[in-house]
Amino acid sequence: QLVLTQSPSASASLGASVKLTCTLSSGHSSYTIAWHQQQPEKGPRYLMKLNSDGRHTKGDGIPDRFSGSSSGAERYLTISSLQSEDEADYYCQTWGTGIVFGGGTKLTVL
Amino acid sequence: EVQLVESGGGLVQPGGSLRLSCAASRFTFSSYAMSWVRQAPGKGLEWVSGISGSGGSTYYADSVKGRFTISRDNSKNTLYLQMNSLRGEDTAVYYCAKGGAVAGLVHFDYWGQGTLVTVSS
Repeated sequence: QLVLTQSPSASASLGASVKLTCTLSSGHSSYTIAWHQQQPEKGPRYLMKLNSDGRHTKGDGIPDRFSGSSSGAERYLTISSLQSEDEADYYCQTWGTGIVFGGGTKLTVL
Repeated sequence: EVQLVESGGGLVQPGGSLRLSCAASRFTFSSYAMSWVRQAPGKGLEWVSGISGSGGSTYYADSVKGRFTISRDNSKNTLYLQMNSLRGEDTAVYYCAKGGAVAGLVHFDYWGQGTLVTVSS
């Protein structure tokens, strides 16, 4: 069964970097995922599509501070030079016979 | 920039029906698959249904299969979700999302702002 696992929460200081993780279930380590950001009281926003080899394609207007990487079944979203507006929920998404979302990671900027 | 504007949400009694609409603009609507994604209060994102660019293929989550129907009118650049036999657990903000390809289920590259559906007596 295709499942995405994310840690429920993460925190980092203003100006620092943070690396969020999305883990694909066993047997699905080659899957491409997408990362989405949802700021409080807003709709989601597409950040990037991320392949198993780490290549990523960002959405329109997404700053260079956002980058993606991959290792095995892990897909990462790294945000550098954290700003207050980066405080949000981050969801990973993949697809097979249906669309699957991870449970989301709530990022707190300290 | 791509625009997706949902409408049609509201309060409905259990067992009732509602039709959501999503007006799309600033891209070639018929060239892309579209989906509906919902978010219950305080919860994460849940994919509900998807449709290919031509409308010839439709896909549903098990939780709504047989109760919801997705459709599109490419002449009006509009996506629809007909929701029947509504239950309390269908209460959520419903988002329209643009797929990154014409057919099949892939990543979403644009989202609407959402419309709230509340199922309650």
